[in-house]
Amino acid sequence: QSVLTQPPSVSGAPGQRVTISCTGSSSNIGAGYDVHWYQQLPGTAPKLLIYGNSNRPSGVPDRFSGSKSGTSASLAITGLQAEDEADYYCQSYDSSLSGSLYVFGTGTKVTVL
Amino acid sequence: QITLKESGPTLVKPTQTLTLTCTFSGFSLSTSGVGVGWIRQPPGKALEWLALIYWDDDKRYSPSLKSRLTITKDTSKNQVVLTMTNMDPVDTATYYCALVTGDAIDYWGQGTLVTVSS
Repeated sequence: QSVLTQPPSVSGAPGQRVTISCTGSSSNIGAGYDVHWYQQLPGTAPKLLIYGNSNRPSGVPDRFSGSKSGTSASLAITGLQAEDEADYYCQSYDSSLSGSLYVFGTGTKVTVL
Repeated sequence: QITLKESGPTLVKPTQTLTLTCTFSGFSLSTSGVGVGWIRQPPGKALEWLALIYWDDDKRYSPSLKSRLTITKDTSKNQVVLTMTNMDPVDTATYYCALVTGDAIDYWGQGTLVTVSS
């Protein structure tokens, strides 16, 4: 099960700004591990959207931005467009007594009204 | 051009062992810093990391599934194999393999749907 918590859904009208939170703990985000974000369109594999907390891969519009603070991270989408309707996942690394591996968030569905 | 493709059975029976193969091109798993991992996604649910193998044969497993998983690599064939024992209907999911450099997943396979049913 996911150790990073995201809101199940967020929505906004075209042109608006929405944010998605990703809440972790001292064994993952709070331990200093980077957060990455992925966008998953229906029926497709996820695509890297933000890496290293706030960096955009080539080709990702600057409408997408990421930040991290303490045990949480956020993804912001400004100037929301219809094509942004998708599921979004955060990812970090988790290290605990039981083992270490990357972990995903619970996922957030973005709806464009 | 980097590609990854998953292959294996689409249907397995409960208690059987699942073996999935990831065949990749465009990079080498003997290059420092490179890893290939497996992620799954049950229908309508979230992504879940399963296992990861690095260029130096370091292996990481999901703590909750560690006892059921084995990941291996064949660098000469550009393949990574994941086995999962004692399959259950709750393991029905799309299974993805992916390229990891640094911490983020740079490239994903298209995924393969595995259904567990008698």
